Amino acid sequence: DAKTTQPTSMDCAEGRAANLPCNHSTISGNEYVYWYRQIHSQGPQYIIHGLKNNETNEMASLIITEDRKSSTLILPHATLRDTAVYYCIVRFLSDSGNTGKLIFGQGTTLQVKP
Amino acid sequence: DSGVTQTPKHLITATGQRVTLRCSPRSGDLSVYWYQQSLDQGLQFLIQYYNGEERAKGNILERFSAQQFPDLHSELNLSSLELGDSALYFCASSVGTGRQPQHFGDGTRLSIL
Repeated sequence: DAKTTQPTSMDCAEGRAANLPCNHSTISGNEYVYWYRQIHSQGPQYIIHGLKNNETNEMASLIITEDRKSSTLILPHATLRDTAVYYCIVRFLSDSGNTGKLIFGQGTTLQVKP
Repeated sequence: DSGVTQTPKHLITATGQRVTLRCSPRSGDLSVYWYQQSLDQGLQFLIQYYNGEERAKGNILERFSAQQFPDLHSELNLSSLELGDSALYFCASSVGTGRQPQHFGDGTRLSIL
């Protein structure tokens, strides 16, 4: 699986957009980008994933650059409850789709401040 | 609530003992994954089962074993416990083994005294 690089920590003001970057310069054509977050010691929570097109759901937006070497997770209106460690994961899926494991890095600790 | 249920939430035991952690996946999910999170190693993949069969193995110690039962629940067995096994153990489930996201339970916190 491709290695990802994320900033160790970031701050964001409550109510503002939080933009979390991720570099995955060695990503290959059949690797998806997934974002999870972990609040304190709770189980990781799935946020969003994408291959090459931008994606949006009720939680966030995922912007993937055209060359797919980096992506940005956007939380449009951050709240205090969004304070968490955010993990960017590049996941290989074979044609048969039978590789399921997630490889977590250190992630970005996002601190949302009042 | 992810729909993945893990029991017990907390477990305290001594070195050399054996414990069993249980996971009930979300309704309809056939894949179960186990992860370990310790302070110094972060979140690490241990093992995956799909519809009762082992599908992938990660950094799982030989002292650890797992299985998935016909009703799709899974158990992780940890034996000859050492102090270093103290960690959070998470179970996740997904519909299949492809790009469907995995959904995690709240974990079992294992403390070895």
